[in-house]
Amino acid sequence: GAVVSQHPSRVICKSGTSVKIECRSLDFQATTMFWYRQFPKQSLMLMATSNEGSKATYEQGVEKDKFLINHASLTLSTLTVTSAHPEDSSFYICSARMSNQPQHFGDGTRLSIL
Amino acid sequence: SQKIEQNSEALNIQEGKTATLTCNYTNYSPAYLQWYRQDPGRGPVFLLLIRENEKEKRKERLKVTFDTTLKQSLFHITASQPADSATYLCALDKDSNYQLIWGAGTKLIIKP
Repeated sequence: GAVVSQHPSRVICKSGTSVKIECRSLDFQATTMFWYRQFPKQSLMLMATSNEGSKATYEQGVEKDKFLINHASLTLSTLTVTSAHPEDSSFYICSARMSNQPQHFGDGTRLSIL
Repeated sequence: SQKIEQNSEALNIQEGKTATLTCNYTNYSPAYLQWYRQDPGRGPVFLLLIRENEKEKRKERLKVTFDTTLKQSLFHITASQPADSATYLCALDKDSNYQLIWGAGTKLIIKP
């Protein structure tokens, strides 16, 4: 149980493109979803916390207009990197949790902006 | 602010031995602490959660201890196997919204 699916697993695109990443909880309803960014050999950096039906809460320093988060249902959250540039290249990971349970993670999306 | 320290150097252990990983934190004592495993290019996988009123927790070959006086958690893998090779992450609760603060992880290498 507690499977989180994240798509796509890898994206390579040109600078200026907007990229959408989907995160789905397959066998449970997620009260909260989280979006992280991870650089090589570094810890997970929380970007935003998303509750279904409400606006995402962004961490300090994360541009909400750059990283658009939509949490349309209890099983789906999307992260859109708008007008991506090479400095946005990173490993993006989502997680989902239900009440009083640990976070369960997707397998991440490797984003490469040329 | 809360800081988490995990040994940044890789830990090399002979197969069959017990591997012990350390997680130290510097500020307030968290309500709970979690350990995750992360393989290269994959998302973290939840292993164990231990609460502040628990001193030890076990799951199969895994054991976690939580010492709120020392502000430290130890993660043990007994009878280690090459398949246990991965990076192990420690995470503490940040606030009531169930956000977590993450350590950078320790890479564990089990040699056959």
